[in-house]
Amino acid sequence: DIVMTQSPDSLAVSLGERATINCKSSQSVLYRSNNKNYLVWYQQKPGQPPKLLIHWASIRESGVPDRFSGSGSGTDFTLTISSLQAEDVAVYYCQQSYTPPLTFGGGTRVEIK
Amino acid sequence: EVQLVESGGGLVQPGRSLRLSCAASGFTFEDYSMHWVRQAPGKGLEWVSGISWNNKSTDYADSVKGRFTVSRDNAKNSLYLQMNSLRLEDTALYYCVKDSGFLEWLLHFDSWGQGTLVTVSS
Repeated sequence: DIVMTQSPDSLAVSLGERATINCKSSQSVLYRSNNKNYLVWYQQKPGQPPKLLIHWASIRESGVPDRFSGSGSGTDFTLTISSLQAEDVAVYYCQQSYTPPLTFGGGTRVEIK
Repeated sequence: EVQLVESGGGLVQPGRSLRLSCAASGFTFEDYSMHWVRQAPGKGLEWVSGISWNNKSTDYADSVKGRFTVSRDNAKNSLYLQMNSLRLEDTALYYCVKDSGFLEWLLHFDSWGQGTLVTVSS
C-alpha cells in the first residue's frame, strides 16, 4: 500500500499570510504514460464532509478560490494557501489516486494565529 | 445538484451485521463509479470500498476485505454496503462518495454525502 505522510500535523497562520502543507507518498504517484501525478487535496471544515480542492496535484476544481494551489511531482507535494482567510480554517487531507487501496494522509489542521 | 443521502447506520454489537444504503440524485448514477469512505470519531479518512459504474469491478481496503460487500442498483440509483462480522474498530461515520470519472475510474471524489454513523459496541 502507498503510505501518505502529511506535515505538519497543525499550523497556525495569521490572516492574509501564507499557509503551506506538505504531503509525501511512499512511492511515486506519477504515471509516466501521461505525465500526471495522481495526488488529490481535500478540505474538511468542522461538521462537514470533505470537499475536493485539487486533483492531479495541481488542477483546481471549479469554484475553488485561486489562493489555493497545488504543486509537486513524484513523491513530494505541497498545498499552498497564498493568503489565509477566516473561512479556510479546516483540516486538509491529501490522497493518492494512483492505485487501490486508495490512501489518505493523516490530515493537517489549519488555524488562525 | 448532486445529492447523496446515506442511511442504515446505528448501534450494533460486535460480530453482527448492518447494511448501509445511499440514495443518489442529481446526476446519471449509472455513469459513475461510487465508493464508501469512513472516518472514525476525531480521526482521519479511510477509503473502504469502490464499485465501477457498470457493476463489473469492485475493490476493498484490506481492513474490510472478506467482511464487507459493496453493491449497487443502477435502476434505483442506489449504492449499498453490506457489513458483516463487525468489529469495534469499524465504528465510524460512513460517507457515500461519487468518483469524478465519467465511465472510468479516476479514484478521486467530487461529491460526498453527509454520512451515516455506525457504532459497534457491546
